[in-house]
Amino acid sequence: DIVMTQSPDSLAVSLGERATINCKSSQSVLYSSNNKNFLAWYQQKPGQPPKLLIYWASTRESGVPDRFSGSGSGTDFTLTISSLQAEDVAVYYCQQFYNTPYTFGQGTKLEIK
Amino acid sequence: EVQLVESGGGLVQPGGSLRLSCAASGFTFSDYWMHWVRQAPGEGPVWVSHISPDGTGPTYADSVRGRFTISRDNAKNTLYLQMNSLRGEDTAVYHCARDHAAPGAFFDHWGQGMLVTVSS
Repeated sequence: DIVMTQSPDSLAVSLGERATINCKSSQSVLYSSNNKNFLAWYQQKPGQPPKLLIYWASTRESGVPDRFSGSGSGTDFTLTISSLQAEDVAVYYCQQFYNTPYTFGQGTKLEIK
Repeated sequence: EVQLVESGGGLVQPGGSLRLSCAASGFTFSDYWMHWVRQAPGEGPVWVSHISPDGTGPTYADSVRGRFTISRDNAKNTLYLQMNSLRGEDTAVYHCARDHAAPGAFFDHWGQGMLVTVSS
C-alpha cells in the first residue's frame, strides 16, 4: 500500500497569512502514460464530509477559491492557502489514487493564530 | 444538484451484519464509478471499496475483503454495502462517494455519512 504522510499534524496561521501543508507518498504517484500526478486534496470541517479542493496535484476543483493551490510531483506535494480566511479552519487531507487501496494522509488541522 | 443519502446504519453486535444503502440523485448514476469510504471517530478517511458503472470489477480494501460486498442497482439509482462478520474496528461513519468525471479515483461528491457502531 502507498503510505501518505502529511506534515505538520497541526498548524496555526494568522488571518491573511500563508498556510502551507505538505504531503509525502511512499512511492511515486506520477502516472507516466499521461504525466499526471494522481494526488488529491480535501478539506473537512466538523460534522461534514470531506470536500474536494485539488486533483491531479494542481488542478483546482470548480468553485474552489483561487487562494487554494497545489503543487509538487512524484512523491512530494504541497497545498498552499495564499491568504488564510476564517472559513478555512478545517482538517486537510491528501489522497493518492495511483492504485488501490486508495489511501489518505493522517490529516493536518489548520487553526487561526 | 447531486445528492447522496446513506441509510441502514446503527448498532450491531460483533459478528453481526448490516446493509448500507446510498440513494443517488441529481446525476446519471449509471455513468459513474462509486465508492464507500469510512471514517472512524477522530480519524482520517479510509477507502473501503469501489464498483464500476455496470457493477463489474468490485475492489476492496484488505481489511474488509471477504466480509463486505459492494453492489449497485442502476434502475433504482442506489449503491449498497453488505457488511458481514462485523468487528469492533469496523465502527465508523460510512460515506458513499462519487468518482469524479475526470480520469482517476478521487471523489467530488460525498454523502453525509451513516454511523455504524459494532459493540456488545
